[in-house]
Amino acid sequence: DTGVSQNPRHKITKRGQNVTFRCDPISEHNRLYWYRQTLGQGPEFLTYFQNEAQLEKSRLLSDRFSAERPKGSFSTLEIQRTEQGDSAMYLCASSLRGQGSTGELFFGEGSRLTVL
Amino acid sequence: ILNVEQSPQSLHVQEGDSTNFTCSFPSSNFYALHWYRWETAKSPEALFVMTLNGDEKKKGRISATLNTKEGYSYLYIKGSQPEDSATYLCALGGYQKVTFGTGTKLQVIP
Repeated sequence: DTGVSQNPRHKITKRGQNVTFRCDPISEHNRLYWYRQTLGQGPEFLTYFQNEAQLEKSRLLSDRFSAERPKGSFSTLEIQRTEQGDSAMYLCASSLRGQGSTGELFFGEGSRLTVL
Repeated sequence: ILNVEQSPQSLHVQEGDSTNFTCSFPSSNFYALHWYRWETAKSPEALFVMTLNGDEKKKGRISATLNTKEGYSYLYIKGSQPEDSATYLCALGGYQKVTFGTGTKLQVIP
């Protein structure tokens, strides 16, 4: 297993366009998280899944953001009608939650979004 | 809303100096405390995950302690090296989501 992978690594888009990011977690991991990171800040929680179920979504998250994890494998994060304030690094992480696991997160390299 | 605070926000030290950072968190509803190192242009990588009050963990020159009753954790780096330059993130792993602090950015000057 090569770890968590995300694509695209970079995306430049015009305001108002829709964008979609994909995350492929470590295959045996049952939890998948999405975070957003802007300059000088720590990763801000967006949402997370346990298998295919989306268990929590940040209350700060606009309705323009939606995430899915069909079949509990890869996940997609879609941002509709992008705004300049959406420019950030979008990080995906996976973990194994269960007896005996530490719950540590394994991160992908992130998808950097620039909205013009 | 879980509030994880880290201090200092940034730090410059000379090569060979020892240093430490603080992570504070609400002590109620505790599950696990994580430390990650995030180097520029790389992914964050876990250093430690601690769950028990009084836990102490060590990896080479880096160690961490945990006090769940008073809600803080310290990360220590002994004899800092330029390759230790990174942002150090603390995160609180609740029974559900994992919430991060804003990080401490360390710059080790050769």
